[in-house]
Amino acid sequence: AQSVTQLGSHVSVSEGALVLLRCNYSSSVPPYLFWYVQYPNQGLQLLLKYTSAATLVKGINGFEAEFKKSETSFHLTKPSAHMSDAAEYFCAVSPQGAQKLVFGQGTRLTINP
Amino acid sequence: EPEVTQTPSHQVTQMGQEVILRCVPISNHLYFYWYRQILGQKVEFLVSFYNNEISEKSEIFDDQFSVERPDGSNFTLKIRSTKLEDSAMYFCASRVAGPYEQYFGPGTRLTVT
Repeated sequence: AQSVTQLGSHVSVSEGALVLLRCNYSSSVPPYLFWYVQYPNQGLQLLLKYTSAATLVKGINGFEAEFKKSETSFHLTKPSAHMSDAAEYFCAVSPQGAQKLVFGQGTRLTINP
Repeated sequence: EPEVTQTPSHQVTQMGQEVILRCVPISNHLYFYWYRQILGQKVEFLVSFYNNEISEKSEIFDDQFSVERPDGSNFTLKIRSTKLEDSAMYFCASRVAGPYEQYFGPGTRLTVT
């Protein structure tokens, strides 16, 4: 069965610092991969997705993620954190041919001024 | 920009009562989903719906749950006899055909007392 592991339930960085949120998946074949963000009292918003095209994927708000098959990873990065990036971030996998999303536990990102 | 809407935003009900959670997916979308998130836990898949029938469901989606698309625009989740452990945030999502991202609604917080 597909699973997703997000290392670190809580990450804290200073404003302007690099953001790195880790995601590893388990799958026998490369799945489709997604990062979603959830701001307080809001739904899940797509940041970016990987669907078997370029391994470096750029998303909204300056975020990007790199698919590394050898490491079964899809880590999310942003070069310079803004206060507005404070939110909960979810990595999700959708097995090819399946419909559902399988989510990781989420990582709460806090930005320190 | 089109969005998925959900009503109500918060529903409080007594144990054993029936509840119906309502969703209006994006109009040209073909696949519909319900997920739930118990406080402090990961987002979990409940059910997917396509072409007026359930295409996949999780172990959580037992006989107490049902879904319906009664009029071509609404998509509902019914829980026949609520339990305390049904208390959670319920998210509706929809997508077009193909390996595309799911668009999520803002969620309905269900509290069972």
